Amino acid sequence: AQSVTQPDIHITVSEGASLELRCNYSYGATPYLFWYVQSPGQGLQLLLKYFSGDTLVQGIKGFEAEFKRSQSSFNLRKPSVHWSDAAEYFCAVGARGSGNTGKLIFGQGTTLQVKP
Amino acid sequence: SQTIHQWPATLVQPVGSPLSLECTVEGTSNPNLYWYRQAAGRGLQLLFYSVGIGQISSEVPQNLSASRPQDRQFILSSKKLLLSDSGFYLCAWATSGNTIYFGEGSWLTVV
Repeated sequence: AQSVTQPDIHITVSEGASLELRCNYSYGATPYLFWYVQSPGQGLQLLLKYFSGDTLVQGIKGFEAEFKRSQSSFNLRKPSVHWSDAAEYFCAVGARGSGNTGKLIFGQGTTLQVKP
Repeated sequence: SQTIHQWPATLVQPVGSPLSLECTVEGTSNPNLYWYRQAAGRGLQLLFYSVGIGQISSEVPQNLSASRPQDRQFILSSKKLLLSDSGFYLCAWATSGNTIYFGEGSWLTVV
């Protein structure tokens, strides 16, 4: 069955520290991969996406993610966290093919808390 | 640029009452449109998607329905709300670029 697992429900890091949010997926083939961020009471904002090519992708707000096919992972990283990064982060996967556009499977989310 | 509008932002409705959430997209034509629901403490679940006017596909059986009366308008409805319908509803759109973009969401509390 297709699924996305974000093992860490809640993470707390100090401002200025590095961050890594984990995402593992189970899928029949290499999917499209996404990370979204959701601030409290808000919609989801796309941070970055992987379709093909370079397995290290850069996103907005200084985030990056690395696709590792052998590990079925797409972990999100940031070298130095800012207080404004506190939010909920969702990893999502989608099937390739125009008929599947937008039909994403989401992980349960990881809540990031940033300590001053 | 493309924008997506969703309303109302917040809604408190009694059990058994009807529901209508509306979503419109600007700056694009013939988008794929989606309704997702985020229940408390859970991830997002795809409810409906539409690839064109009048074309609706349901992903999960439920008490809700969707309609697409115009190219850039997507409506989520219910005739009689249940307590379990409470949640955060997100409209989204996508083009052939395989990336979806979300609206600001609508909080629905059924009491």
